[in-house]
Amino acid sequence: SAVISQKPSRDICQRGTSLTIQCQVDSQVTMMFWYRQQPGQSLTLIATANQGSEATYESGFVIDKFPISRPNLTFSTLTVSNMSPEDSSIYLCSVGPFFGAEAFFGQGTRLTVV
Amino acid sequence: DAKTTQPPSMDCAEGRAANLPCNHSTISGNEYVYWYRQIHSQGPQYIIHGLKNNETNEMASLIITEDRKSSTLILPHATLRDTAVYYCIVRVAGGGGSQGNLIFGKGTKLSVKP
Repeated sequence: SAVISQKPSRDICQRGTSLTIQCQVDSQVTMMFWYRQQPGQSLTLIATANQGSEATYESGFVIDKFPISRPNLTFSTLTVSNMSPEDSSIYLCSVGPFFGAEAFFGQGTRLTVV
Repeated sequence: DAKTTQPPSMDCAEGRAANLPCNHSTISGNEYVYWYRQIHSQGPQYIIHGLKNNETNEMASLIITEDRKSSTLILPHATLRDTAVYYCIVRVAGGGGSQGNLIFGKGTKLSVKP
């Protein structure tokens, strides 16, 4: 199993600013995933973060807007840059699934941009 | 796009069995069926997964049809705390590359009522 700590749990930010979300895992993992969940919607994958290489972004998401760091096997950050109200969402990090076993998710960061 | 189809919402009386259907008519032979749930304001939680045999754990049972084109998640004695959005996901087992992420559909919002 894996325990994921995500910080901050929520924040209210001014438009045009940036917020960095931290994700700490209690075990070493090769791949970490960042998801966005817009209000009332399902989860959408933003990017996959591998340690030692640049993140791989899904269609519709770009590095300039959502830069990701992965300095070691237990930690990752996602930055939401130059925020607008449309960025108001819950952002979640995840690890796994591991060879058929379950994936684990952080509790999410609820971001409100005003 | 998600490879599964689920009803958008269902109600269940407390103490009764909740049966949540999922259609996955295009499932491949090497794809598993996973179920996750998301309780309000929390990250998704793994429930169960299976390939072709029925599976049971402490949380639920998973019934997969013989042709594997559909499945049913069964919560045998639903409680108010089971109120959540339930996601049915199909994916290849294994943790490598882009197969590591989960593709979420819209899920079924289950409301357990007293």
